[in-house]
Amino acid sequence: EPEVTQTPSHQVTQMGQEVILRCVPISNHLYFYWYRQILGQKVEFLVSFYNNEISEKSEIFDDQFSVERPDGSNFTLKIRSTKLEDSAMYFCASSEGQREQYFGPGTRLTVT
Amino acid sequence: GEDVEQSLFLSVREGDSSVINCTYTDSSSTYLYWYKQEPGAGLQLLTYIFSNMDMKQDQRLTVLLNKKDKHLSLRIADTQTGDSAIYFCAEGLGYQKVTFGTGTKLQVIP
Repeated sequence: EPEVTQTPSHQVTQMGQEVILRCVPISNHLYFYWYRQILGQKVEFLVSFYNNEISEKSEIFDDQFSVERPDGSNFTLKIRSTKLEDSAMYFCASSEGQREQYFGPGTRLTVT
Repeated sequence: GEDVEQSLFLSVREGDSSVINCTYTDSSSTYLYWYKQEPGAGLQLLTYIFSNMDMKQDQRLTVLLNKKDKHLSLRIADTQTGDSAIYFCAEGLGYQKVTFGTGTKLQVIP
């Protein structure tokens, strides 16, 4: 069964460093998303992406964040200068048009 | 704005049925989802129901939707220890953001 994959599974970085989280969505899906879950809290929407453009973003997704689809298979989330409060589990998701969203296993980001 | 509420904890005995409840506020939602999260793992899409349906059954899982009261429930028949996890209720339009509840931690007692 096709699934969303994410790398790395765990990333440790120092405050102020840039990180790139990678996702490979399900191959025939056209809509891509990033969410995050701070430990013990709700899963929060960050951004949605379609047709090489951001289609929706939350107030969390400020200028420190960016997304890119650098090739036909990868979808990345970049955090330019990480803060302690960016520590969270980051989930990528994809959907086939206006359909249900499938999530990847997540990348645990630890900022020290 | 959208909001999804769930109780935080449910404990059941193995073999019993579990019922996890959820209320939501956005009446325009097309999809109502149930996701399962095991410790340290990602979000597994368990099942979903379209907003124009009342009920959906999938093996041991039954989803009931009361659109008038904006109430969603997930029933797990013959609950097993492997069902122990956090269950998230969520709502969305399909191609837009999904709004998640706080999650209900299901503990299955052998």
